This record gives sequence, C-alpha cells and structure tokens, in this order.
Amino acid sequence: SQQGEEDPQALSIQEGENATMNCSYKTSINNLQWYRQNSGRGLVHLILIRSNEREKHSGRLRVTLDTSKKSSSLLITASRAADTASYFCATEGSGGGADGLTFGKGTHLIIQP
Amino acid sequence: DTGVSQDPRHKITKRGQNVTFRCDPISEHNRLYWYRQTLGQGPEFLTYFQNEAQLEKSRLLSDRFSAERPKGSFSTLEIQRTEQGDSAMYLCASSSPGRYGYTFGSGTRLTVV
Repeated sequence: SQQGEEDPQALSIQEGENATMNCSYKTSINNLQWYRQNSGRGLVHLILIRSNEREKHSGRLRVTLDTSKKSSSLLITASRAADTASYFCATEGSGGGADGLTFGKGTHLIIQP
Repeated sequence: DTGVSQDPRHKITKRGQNVTFRCDPISEHNRLYWYRQTLGQGPEFLTYFQNEAQLEKSRLLSDRFSAERPKGSFSTLEIQRTEQGDSAMYLCASSSPGRYGYTFGSGTRLTVV
C-alpha cells in the first residue's frame, strides 16, 4: 500500500521558476528520500534526509522534513526543461531496510520552456 | 560498474503463460529489492533479498510469483499463469548498508494480452 501522498499531483510552471512539491506519510520513519522518474524509465535517487534532520540541500534541491507533521517538501530552484519528470517521495521505516521503501503516488512536474 | 541492469526491457505475453525477469544489481550491493509500478502510481514493494536470503515478501506477492537470488548475485522474478492484472512495470533496485539511496534499474514493462 502507498505510504502517503504527494501534493500536488501535477504541477506546470515556467522555466526559471521554483517548483515546490509536498509529501505526507503515515508511520514513523528512519529516513525519507526523493526520487525522479522520467517517463517509462527507472527511478533516480535525488536526496535523502534522515529523521533527525530538518533541512538538506543538494545543488538546486532543498528538502525539508517535519516529523511532527509527518511531512516533507522538495523545492527545485531555477527550474529547467530537463526537470520535467515525476517526483516521488519514499520513506524507509525503522526495519533497517528490510521492508524497502514505501512510495507515494508522485507529482508530475512539467517545465514549460 | 554500469548500475542495475534489467532484462528484458519489454515483455508481451499471453494470459496464462509464465514469464521470468532478470535483474543484475551493482556488484557490491548486498541488498536487492523488487517493486511493481502501475500507471499513475508509485512503485509498490514486492520482495527483499539480503545476499541470497529472501527476507521479506509483500502480501502483493501471490503464490504465482516467485523470486530467487542464487549465490547472492543476480535475481530472477517469475510470474506463473500470468493474468491481465499483472501488466505493470517491474523494477529492481539494489543498495548497500551505509550507502544512501537505492539504485534502480530501468525496469521491465510487462503487458499481458
């Protein structure tokens, strides 16, 4: 079953604008990860934030985590056409990876040139 | 290392036939996962191997599904007596303790007609 939901389900913005996607989850986690998926392809790992971290940066990506609200956000700054893809948040539980990752349904991001 | 490889990329089969997919993980990764993804959804966990041992199986993995990882290297996922509801993208991922994030293959898209 899906762990939670990404919001919005779809987002269309102009190139150069910032894109923000949100993710909510239901159970306690060890870490939360964001992945990108281009149409018909596998997933690419973007960034991981541990349960004891509140914010993390990687290049144009900024991730926040609020464990009290069981939510996370992914910000992509200065978006590019190549950022067009589906973005998924995924949580890893406290089982040390044995249960794998639990994914949301994803946000489909379209960057208009 | 060229990442996680999956074969075949696409498979069309008639209902009732058996199919087998292969996954070659990153050689130093001892953890291997299988996921299933249907259109518009996030990936759903199927099963987990640590080395050659299958340690977790989702309730999604019916009796028609079997996975193996002989010698802790490549893995196979077999679906017997395929049904139209089995049509999906089957994704393999590998990881290693202490390394962050999972590396996914490009997936095998199964279509049951």
